[in-house]
Amino acid sequence: DTAVSQTPKYLVTQMGNDKSIKCEQNLGHDTMYWYKQDSKKFLKIMFSYNNKELIINETVPNRFSPKSPDKAHLNLHINSLELGDSAVYFCASSQRDREDYGYTFGSGTRLTVV
Amino acid sequence: AQRVTQPEKLLSVFKGAPVELKCNYSYSGSPELFWYVQYSRQRLQLLLRHISRESIKGFTADLNKGETSFHLKKPFAQEEDSAMYYCALSTGGFKTIFGAGTRLFVKA
Repeated sequence: DTAVSQTPKYLVTQMGNDKSIKCEQNLGHDTMYWYKQDSKKFLKIMFSYNNKELIINETVPNRFSPKSPDKAHLNLHINSLELGDSAVYFCASSQRDREDYGYTFGSGTRLTVV
Repeated sequence: AQRVTQPEKLLSVFKGAPVELKCNYSYSGSPELFWYVQYSRQRLQLLLRHISRESIKGFTADLNKGETSFHLKKPFAQEEDSAMYYCALSTGGFKTIFGAGTRLFVKA
């Protein structure tokens, strides 16, 4: 009954590979996000989607391609992985007309590129 | 430009001591401010919303528009409060900006 679930929890892969991270929320929210947390714990927004439409793309390299098949899912595909992509990636969701309620986050996916 | 500043990367206090985690923001409109907490290797959780003026786990935060601050306070720190704390600003544009975070360490 997890509200926002991400898979996988850990991902170790070699440089140059392509990988995907999946996110699903069962809260009925209409907006979903991807955030990147770097090694210094700094959280930076990557993408936000509202009702399956891309709203924000924060100068993320083209190698990162989000896909939202429906309001409850937001997946992240990364091509040609680089060492600098190593980080923890958090998915989150919120309701557009209740932004004062804040975000609900997933447990994160720790990506390690070797 | 919209910005959230948490000046302290690390704050270390003794158990039972008061704690204040500082947060300043820069935004010309009407802000919605939050505090999130991340315990070791766990997901971020919403701790406080300024709009609700609530106290959660003994923590409170008051929005001071004159000083553009939203400091998080607790009168008596507990060891289980040790965590990473993020101040966050929502501007209503499908984006919440997070500060760099402050790691709180409560010593026994």
